[in-house]
Amino acid sequence: GAVVSQHPSWVICKSGTSVKIECRSLDFQATTMFWYRQFPKQSLMLMATSNEGSKATYEQGVEKDKFLINHASLTLSTLTVTSAHPEDSSFYICSARDPRGTNQETQYFGPGTRLLVL
Amino acid sequence: KQEVTQIPAALSVPEGENLVLNCSFTDSAIYNLQWFRQDPGKGLTSLLLIQSSQREQTSGRLNASLDKSSGRSTLYIAASQPGDSATYLCAGMDTGRRALTFGSGTRLQVQP
Repeated sequence: GAVVSQHPSWVICKSGTSVKIECRSLDFQATTMFWYRQFPKQSLMLMATSNEGSKATYEQGVEKDKFLINHASLTLSTLTVTSAHPEDSSFYICSARDPRGTNQETQYFGPGTRLLVL
Repeated sequence: KQEVTQIPAALSVPEGENLVLNCSFTDSAIYNLQWFRQDPGKGLTSLLLIQSSQREQTSGRLNASLDKSSGRSTLYIAASQPGDSATYLCAGMDTGRRALTFGSGTRLQVQP
């Protein structure tokens, strides 16, 4: 089956630094990727939808200048948390889909990246 | 805006019991309804996907139903096992962006 990887799986950083998280589709081309955030004991909340070659669409309440998303290729999307603060500490999960594939509506999820901002 | 609610929030049962997890959604215009499993600190494992035109899907000991008119879905787990212990999430996919709106999950503990 399709595999999505995320890197890093864990990151600890100081307040004020920027952190980049990568999401890769390993064996399929993902024209659309989604970024979710999950706070402790809460469910996943969609942050933004990323389409290859175009600007990401952010959900209401998500600051686009703070969470920079780049989807420059069909297999890679990156989420950069700029000037991270402790309240940004969370579990970030990406998913990818290939609308041209046989399982057009299936989203394949990455294993997640746990961010801790000190 | 779609809202997804899951009841109960937590459930503890002895091994071998059959159980039902409930999910309700406010917008019936969903593309599909999906159930996932999440183990502590881990990503998501897809369990079942029900298309909007379908009523149910089965995989092994799992059966999921969908009633769009009432905005409800149920996940039935037969003969529960300790390995089933996890958080179960339901999510509705919208017809536009095909993004998922997740419920808050049901934390299941199956006692050996």
